[in-house]
Amino acid sequence: DTEVTQTPKHLVMGMTNKKSLKCEQHMGHRAMYWYKQKAKKPPELMFVYSYEKLSINESVPSRFSPECPNSSLLNLHLHALQPEDSALYLCASSPPRGWDSGNTIYFGEGSWLTVV
Amino acid sequence: EDKVVQSPLSLVVHEGDTVTLNCSYEVTNFRSLLWYKQEKKAPTFLFMLTSSGIEKKSGRLSSILDKKELFSILNITATQTGDSAVYLCAVLYGNKLVFGAGTILRVKS
Repeated sequence: DTEVTQTPKHLVMGMTNKKSLKCEQHMGHRAMYWYKQKAKKPPELMFVYSYEKLSINESVPSRFSPECPNSSLLNLHLHALQPEDSALYLCASSPPRGWDSGNTIYFGEGSWLTVV
Repeated sequence: EDKVVQSPLSLVVHEGDTVTLNCSYEVTNFRSLLWYKQEKKAPTFLFMLTSSGIEKKSGRLSSILDKKELFSILNITATQTGDSAVYLCAVLYGNKLVFGAGTILRVKS
């Protein structure tokens, strides 16, 4: 099982709304990631959590707030977004380095976000 | 600055052709190089490469890594229209996975 599950698949929100994207994996992975992908561009790293602690924040605006409540869940809280934040948001996870597959990253199907 | 560069940026071929996609990288604390295929959805994992000179193969696709020259190639033989997609190369270093810009492949029937 190499499944990373993201919800919702599609989200439309106004600029004053507060919403959250959710990501879940039950593979025992201890690193989880949020990526943002605009049309015709590669995914761009936003955040990395390692063992439930934020280890990398790629200078992401504070209107995006990540949260890792436990080793299986990763949330991305959204508040006061702008239309240019509309994109595909991808969650990913990777196994601990000691595993055979420790250098592989698995992606979820993504959440398509439209800000109006 | 760490970077991942793919070439060509786009490619149009006819069914049955063989294509070679290139990826060069310059990072510190290299862990692996990953190839993904992306259509109108999330990237689909193709290969993970960690050691030089060991070819990974899956059907008509194969890939190899050269850690001395810091590059990888992805080969697709006997291309089909279903191979049309963006092929992304990504390098895992430290706790970061950074993507190249991708190669857009279009296979014409």
